[in-house]
Amino acid sequence: DTEVTQTPKHLVMGMTNKKSLKCEQHMGHRAMYWYKQKAKKPPELMFVYSYEKLSINESVPSRFSPECPNSSLLNLHLHALQPEDSALYLCASSQGDYQADTQYFGPGTRLTVL
Amino acid sequence: AQSVTQLDSQVPVFEEAPVELRCNYSSSVSVYLFWYVQYPNQGLQLLLKYLSGSTLVKGINGFEAEFNKSQTSFHLRKPSVHISDTAEYFCAVSVGNTGFQKLVFGTGTRLLVSP
Repeated sequence: DTEVTQTPKHLVMGMTNKKSLKCEQHMGHRAMYWYKQKAKKPPELMFVYSYEKLSINESVPSRFSPECPNSSLLNLHLHALQPEDSALYLCASSQGDYQADTQYFGPGTRLTVL
Repeated sequence: AQSVTQLDSQVPVFEEAPVELRCNYSSSVSVYLFWYVQYPNQGLQLLLKYLSGSTLVKGINGFEAEFNKSQTSFHLRKPSVHISDTAEYFCAVSVGNTGFQKLVFGTGTRLLVSP
């Protein structure tokens, strides 16, 4: 099973709302990633968790708060977002955090901020 | 800093014709190169990757790529495309020197296959 699942598929939220995105994998992977993808653009890395610890934060605004409760689960908590945060949010996982790893991507959550 | 360049933003091609999607990389050290495909409203899927060894890499769905160190290129090819190959294709390089994987993607090439 090489599946990464993400919920919800779509999310519409106001600028004062608090919501969370969820990502799950059961491949035994030890690295998990959050990406943001705007329309017609490549994915941009936001966060990397390795062995449940935050390894990379690409200077993401604090209104995005990642959480890795266990090795299979990754959350992204959203608070006080701006309309420009509307995008496709992709989760990925890989076996470790090595340069040669393959990242497996979920289908994404399409977020609209009103 | 390591980066990849995809010069073609869009490549139109007829069904059953061959196609080449271009990718050039910049790096002064060993590189790990990847091609990912993104179908509409989906996540990314790995087509193939080059780590070391043979410069001709075969991937899924009939795609292959050739690593050319002298030309710093990693072009993706398919001898005969199908309508279902219509998608966005991203070339990526893995960067980082402390054991972590950070993928830097090119801007993408949209492959449009028409009947």
